[in-house]
Amino acid sequence: DGGITQSPKYLFRKEGQNVTLSCEQNLNHDAMYWYRQDPGQGLRLIYYSQIVNDFQKGDIAEGYSVSREKKESFPLTVTSAQKNPTAFYLCASSTTQGNQPQHFGDGTRLSIL
Amino acid sequence: RKEVEQDPGPFNVPEGATVAFNCTYSNSASQSFFWYRQDCRKEPKLLMSVYSSGNEDGRFTAQLNRASQYISLLIRDSKLSDSATYLCVVNILTGNQFYFGTGTSLTVIP
Repeated sequence: DGGITQSPKYLFRKEGQNVTLSCEQNLNHDAMYWYRQDPGQGLRLIYYSQIVNDFQKGDIAEGYSVSREKKESFPLTVTSAQKNPTAFYLCASSTTQGNQPQHFGDGTRLSIL
Repeated sequence: RKEVEQDPGPFNVPEGATVAFNCTYSNSASQSFFWYRQDCRKEPKLLMSVYSSGNEDGRFTAQLNRASQYISLLIRDSKLSDSATYLCVVNILTGNQFYFGTGTSLTVIP
């Protein structure tokens, strides 16, 4: 079955530590996105990529980094510079045609130890 | 000004009721429109796309009003299982960006 896989489902970070969240898709989508969702809040865009080897900052990119070396993969690193990383992180993908919806992975919950 | 605005609710309705949500968008260049459903602590899942002529899927009806820049979702004969947060999403073709509303919370009461 085609879909988006995020791992791990739960992640704990120590102070000063970088952690990487995985996102893999087999939908052959060109575009991939990372969102952050805080309790009771909407989705906020962290980074997005429309094509391999290219990505752009979203609304809240500070303290995060990404790479897009393969079409299928768009890992997100939460760096120690992100002082409030506790949130629900969602990865999504879509075609670049604009008239098709996004598909989401089932998310990663990140907490500070 | 937010790209997409929704009434956060909460909407508490009895089983069998009809409930409607509206969502307004600010960018007239918006091309595509969607409603997603998000259950507590889960990822958003596509409920339905919204087409210019309006569309229906069972108990759910979506409509688009380009002149007034809003989309709506109507749920008829509400079920307990409809309890969730409903997100409206707008896509602006330039840059292939998706803009999310903050969601409207629905609780269907027995």
